[in-house]
Amino acid sequence: AQSVSQHNHHVILSEAASLELGCNYSYGGTVNLFWYVQYPGQHLQLLLKYFSGDPLVKGIKGFEAEFIKSKFSFNLRKPSVQWSDTAEYFCAVNARENFGNEKLTFGTGTRLTIIP
Amino acid sequence: DGGITQSPKYLFRKEGQNVTLSCEQNLNHDAMYWYRQDPGQGLRLIYYSQIVNDFQKGDIAEGYSVSREKKESFPLTVTSAQKNPTAFYLCASSTRTGSFYEQYFGPGTRLTVT
Repeated sequence: AQSVSQHNHHVILSEAASLELGCNYSYGGTVNLFWYVQYPGQHLQLLLKYFSGDPLVKGIKGFEAEFIKSKFSFNLRKPSVQWSDTAEYFCAVNARENFGNEKLTFGTGTRLTIIP
Repeated sequence: DGGITQSPKYLFRKEGQNVTLSCEQNLNHDAMYWYRQDPGQGLRLIYYSQIVNDFQKGDIAEGYSVSREKKESFPLTVTSAQKNPTAFYLCASSTRTGSFYEQYFGPGTRLTVT
């Protein structure tokens, strides 16, 4: 079965700091990987996704993530955060065994607080 | 304006009562999902449906039931058998773009059972 680990539960940064949120998954085969963001009071929305091809994917609002297959990781990065990035971030995986039913497994989430 | 609606936003029930959460989408998506979100536990899949009149259990289906009689609607019933029903419930739907499915989420319903 697939599982996702997000080891950073709460991250606090100052504006303009660089961000990296960790995401590791456990599944030996082909995967689709996602980062979702939940801004305060808003819907959960897709930040970026990896399906195939270039392992460095770019998303909305200056976020990017790198898929490193050998490390089973899909860490989220942003070179300079803004106060508006304050939100909860979820990593999710869909393993090949679930292709066709699109069952996403989510991590426990990382709460990001940006201090102005 | 296309999207997913969940009603109500807040729901309060007494222990022992069944309660049904509404989820409607006008995105013409085939697949729909119900998740439960608890602090520190992320989102956990309760039920999902890929087509009308068909649905499958997710990871935590016990104490819940669903129906999918129409493409647009996927109501979730939280029964009295659910031992810890107080939570934030999210509905999602998905469409296929090329060979990739993206899930879109509704605003959620916060259920409190006392």
